[in-house]
Amino acid sequence: DAKTTQPTSMDCAEGRAANLPCNHSTISGNEYVYWYRQIHSQGPQYIIHGLKNNETNEMASLIITEDRKSSTLILPHATLRDTAVYYCIVPSYGKLTFGQGTILTVHP
Amino acid sequence: SAVISQKPSRDICQRGTSLTIQCQVDSQVTMMFWYRQQPGQSLTLIATANQGSEATYESGFVIDKFPISRPNLTFSTLTVSNMSPEDSSIYLCSAREGQYTFGSGTRLTVV
Repeated sequence: DAKTTQPTSMDCAEGRAANLPCNHSTISGNEYVYWYRQIHSQGPQYIIHGLKNNETNEMASLIITEDRKSSTLILPHATLRDTAVYYCIVPSYGKLTFGQGTILTVHP
Repeated sequence: SAVISQKPSRDICQRGTSLTIQCQVDSQVTMMFWYRQQPGQSLTLIATANQGSEATYESGFVIDKFPISRPNLTFSTLTVSNMSPEDSSIYLCSAREGQYTFGSGTRLTVV
């Protein structure tokens, strides 16, 4: 099982880029990295996932290092509504196991 | 991605009773899961709901307490049995179709 490590909390100013790091040093070659977020009292929301190439969608960008041992989720222009808990997950046997995630607070 | 409808959205139940939570997916999916989120905590996987066979439970969760059904590829139920106040949590259904999608959860309060 590839375990992930994330900072407990981060702050970001509204309108600035939020860069959320994740370490997954034991990831194997065919395991994807998934990012989800949970806004208070809601179900987790899918953000993005990737294998080894950088990925971008309408919500965020995912930068994965060449050795795949870490990744960074980038919210290019954070808004107050991006305040949430962000989870970096490497599925094991097809299952998502949630850690404590990173509490991102976007402030005015 | 799949859309999940989960109900009830919330309930208040008496201790000793049971509650069945329903999860409906708008497309056929191979894998469905049930999670629990205790107050102030992250999500904990309860079990994988297998179509046509018994669910696969994670360590610390047993079938007698959390019986699960999955009669087809779009529907599953989770029952929380013989409830106590410690079962007060949010219960979430998830399905995998490419990415993993989550329902909005059932907020259960046991009094």
